[in-house]
Amino acid sequence: DIQMTQSPASLSASLGETVTIECLASEDIYDILAWYQQKPGKSPQLLIYDASSLHTGVPSRFSGSGSGTQYSLKINSLQPEDFASYYCQNGLSAPLTFGSGTKLEIK
Amino acid sequence: EVQLVESGGGLVQPGRSLKLSCVASGFTFSNYGMNWIRQAPGKGLEWVAYISSGSSYIYYAETVKGRFTISRDNAKNTLYLQMTSLRSEDTALYYCARQRDTYYGYIDYWGQGVMVTVSS
Repeated sequence: DIQMTQSPASLSASLGETVTIECLASEDIYDILAWYQQKPGKSPQLLIYDASSLHTGVPSRFSGSGSGTQYSLKINSLQPEDFASYYCQNGLSAPLTFGSGTKLEIK
Repeated sequence: EVQLVESGGGLVQPGRSLKLSCVASGFTFSNYGMNWIRQAPGKGLEWVAYISSGSSYIYYAETVKGRFTISRDNAKNTLYLQMTSLRSEDTALYYCARQRDTYYGYIDYWGQGVMVTVSS
């Protein structure tokens, strides 16, 4: 199984700041990687697929990058609605493994 | 509007069974692969099972293999998860989730989730 190691586990930032979340796959996943956002009490929402493609309706302040085994999610100019948990996910093959999550909190 | 509505959760004793359902609407259900994904209280996301659009391909997480069975009825636009020999570690919010395309496991729509609590 492909393991997804996500860091940091938590992150504190201020409105307007830029943050980056990292995800490391245990083997090459050929950019078949997704990022999800989950707000408390809500279902996850797809943000990015194919490592860098923005899902419909997702603001352009979100961006994804990376290749091979290393990927990152960048959020520019943090807005109040961005404070949530974020998960990366291997979409290449079953089992569809997720990273352990990053909780982004307001400083 | 795509909607996925789960039902069938509840409190169940260890070793017992439970069957979850997910009714889909707003899209052609028979064209999409579907997944069950769970989230234990305060924890991260764990993929449970996948079924292809025509039920030809089925995959399970090792943690549930042999105990859970995923199935679907395309005529009823409904996805199922039959859970047997339940354990305390199966306690979680179970999401029904649509896979965006055939080849890659991107989830573009999630239900609101149904809670399963395994406890004596």
